[in-house]
Amino acid sequence: ILNVEQSPQSLHVQEGDSTNFTCSFPSSNFYALHWYRWETAKSPEALFVMTLNGDEKKKGRISATLNTKEGYSYLYIKGSQPEDSATYLCASHRPSGNTPLVFGKGTRLSVIA
Amino acid sequence: GAVVSQHPSRVICKSGTSVKIECRSLDFQATTMFWYRQFPKQSLMLMATSNEGSKATYEQGVEKDKFLINHASLTLSTLTVTSAHPEDSSFYICSARDRRAGQTTAAQYFGPGTRLTVL
Repeated sequence: ILNVEQSPQSLHVQEGDSTNFTCSFPSSNFYALHWYRWETAKSPEALFVMTLNGDEKKKGRISATLNTKEGYSYLYIKGSQPEDSATYLCASHRPSGNTPLVFGKGTRLSVIA
Repeated sequence: GAVVSQHPSRVICKSGTSVKIECRSLDFQATTMFWYRQFPKQSLMLMATSNEGSKATYEQGVEKDKFLINHASLTLSTLTVTSAHPEDSSFYICSARDRRAGQTTAAQYFGPGTRLTVL
């Protein structure tokens, strides 16, 4: 069974603050890790797909790192803005490497203006 | 690009009725679509993988006769909840992978979801 854990469950930050949260996954038989942003009443939006240990990806003020040996990924948001408020999901592929994803419960971020 | 629509967004039905949910890829073709279900405060749980032109692959514990999946074209998959009961009330969401993506680790594109309430 593949368990993907995310922490914290929820987070409140002030506008302008930088923040980060964690996704943990089994390090054995790793294939890829996905990060999604899910705003209320909208579709989850793909942020990053990461496959290589030590990989770091960036999209605007958002970046993510990956450590496949220890089984974690960090998502960073620099200078949080109210529009960053959303639930951030991470997902990993099952050890078989098939396309179905196993999701964590998400981190709900609220940025207070 | 990469837009997935889902209809309806919200449905309320009586116990025993069947409900059909449509998932469409609007600007790309998807040989594979996925159906997830999310209960309150839980993670998205995969129900089944929908393959164009062939039978869906169901996850363990998901009744294929209750959750009928049809993927008749490269842009449309439907999920029918048959003889719905209150315990089927949940948030159902689909995703699709662009057939041009090639690699199995490519990002999936999600619809906005359907909130089903069975009275």
